[in-house]
Amino acid sequence: DAGVTQSPTHLIKTRGQQVTLRCSPKSGHDTVSWYQQALGQGPQFIFQYYEEEERQRGNFPDRFSGHQFPNYSSELNVNALWLGDSALYLCASSARGLEAKNIQYFGAGTRLSVL
Amino acid sequence: DQQVKQNSPSLSVQEGRISILNCDYTNSMFDYFLWYKKYPAEGPTFLISISSIKDKNEDGRFTVFLNKSAKHLSLHIVPSQPGDSAVYFCAARYGTASKLTFGTGTRLQVTL
Repeated sequence: DAGVTQSPTHLIKTRGQQVTLRCSPKSGHDTVSWYQQALGQGPQFIFQYYEEEERQRGNFPDRFSGHQFPNYSSELNVNALWLGDSALYLCASSARGLEAKNIQYFGAGTRLSVL
Repeated sequence: DQQVKQNSPSLSVQEGRISILNCDYTNSMFDYFLWYKKYPAEGPTFLISISSIKDKNEDGRFTVFLNKSAKHLSLHIVPSQPGDSAVYFCAARYGTASKLTFGTGTRLQVTL
C-alpha cells in the first residue's frame, strides 16, 4: 500500500518564478492538506482540499493556490516566489468518516530553494 | 501567537530509560492531540493520539497523557531505544476535519 507520495523531492527556483508541487494521497484517502515547514520550525498549515474544493486556509497570501483532482491527488502552486518561500513543503492526506479519526499522514516533502 | 508550544528544543536520554516529551497549548477549543516523529529527509510519521475526553492513551512503548486543566500533554517512551532518536512534534486540532497546529518540535537523542 503506497503512502503519500510527493514530487519532486527537491527544487531550485529563482525569485519571481512560479512553482508547482504535486501530491498523491494514501490509498483510500480523500482529503489533502498542505503545510510549509521552515528550518527549525513546526509545519504551518497552508490549505486543505476535499471534494476538489479548498475547505480551510491558513495565513498564507493569495500567491499560494492549489487544486484537487477527481482522483484526489493535489497540486500546490506558488507564484512570484521570493526568498522567504524557501522551505520544506509537506502534503498530508486523511480520510473523512466517523471511523477514520481523520489522522493526517504525511509525505516526505518537497524541498524548495529560492535563490 | 504560538498556540502549541514545545519548550524543550532537545532532550538526551540513555537507552532503556524513560523519555518524557512535553507540550503545552493555549487554545481551549482544541479537542484532539497528536504526536508525530520525524527523521531527517522524511515526512512526519504519526505516532499516537488522544482525544480531549480521555486523559491517557497507550500504544506499546508509547503513552500520551493529557491534563486539560493545565493545557498540557506529555509523551512517554519506555524503554527508550536508539531508533527513537528523532524530532518529535506535538500537534493539535479542533473539529474532526480541521487543520493541525504544530509545536516547534523536540529533538530526542537516545544514547547507548
